[in-house]
Amino acid sequence: DAGVIQSPRHEVTEMGQEVTLRCKPISGHNSLFWYRQTMMRGLELLIYFNNNVPIDDSGMPEDRFSAKMPNASFSTLKIQPSEPRDSAVYFCASSLEGFTGELFFGEGSRLTVL
Amino acid sequence: AQRVTQPEKLLSVFKGAPVELKCNYSYSGSPELFWYVQYSRQRLQLLLRHISRESIKGFTADLNKGETSFHLKKPFAQEEDSAMYYCALKGMGFNKFYFGSGTKLNVKP
Repeated sequence: DAGVIQSPRHEVTEMGQEVTLRCKPISGHNSLFWYRQTMMRGLELLIYFNNNVPIDDSGMPEDRFSAKMPNASFSTLKIQPSEPRDSAVYFCASSLEGFTGELFFGEGSRLTVL
Repeated sequence: AQRVTQPEKLLSVFKGAPVELKCNYSYSGSPELFWYVQYSRQRLQLLLRHISRESIKGFTADLNKGETSFHLKKPFAQEEDSAMYYCALKGMGFNKFYFGSGTKLNVKP
């Protein structure tokens, strides 16, 4: 397995534009997480899904952020409209609930909003 | 409320010196504690978990429920240990992970 796959790896956009980040979890994993990493706040959990259902989205900063998981092998995190303060590295991670408790991370998507 | 605190943003030590990365937590139930590491240009990955009671790359961490701590220790730091370290907590039976803000370890030659 190639592990958790995220795209794009880098995204530079202008304020006000829509940004869509994509994630393919490890096959067979039933939980998927979106995290945001910044120097100031470290790793913040934005939302997590279990069996494709959003369980906890309390970390989503505001209505400009939305996430979907239409099937077990794909998830998106959308920011519309984007703002400079959204600049960060966004990580997707997956796990198999109840197994080892280990999270497997993607390589991250570095977003820069000008 | 659940909380993981890593008080040091940056820790610099010389090669061969002991290192301790601090982690304190707040959780009302039975927690599972983890240390994750992110080396330069690599994915964030699991370093060790408290239930395994193992030593990985010379690192150990003991869960101290009285002090609600899970500090990461290594007796002799190596330059290749330079990385970002995150302490994480998961509630037993739950799948939500809480991460601390991270500590950047810099091991100088």
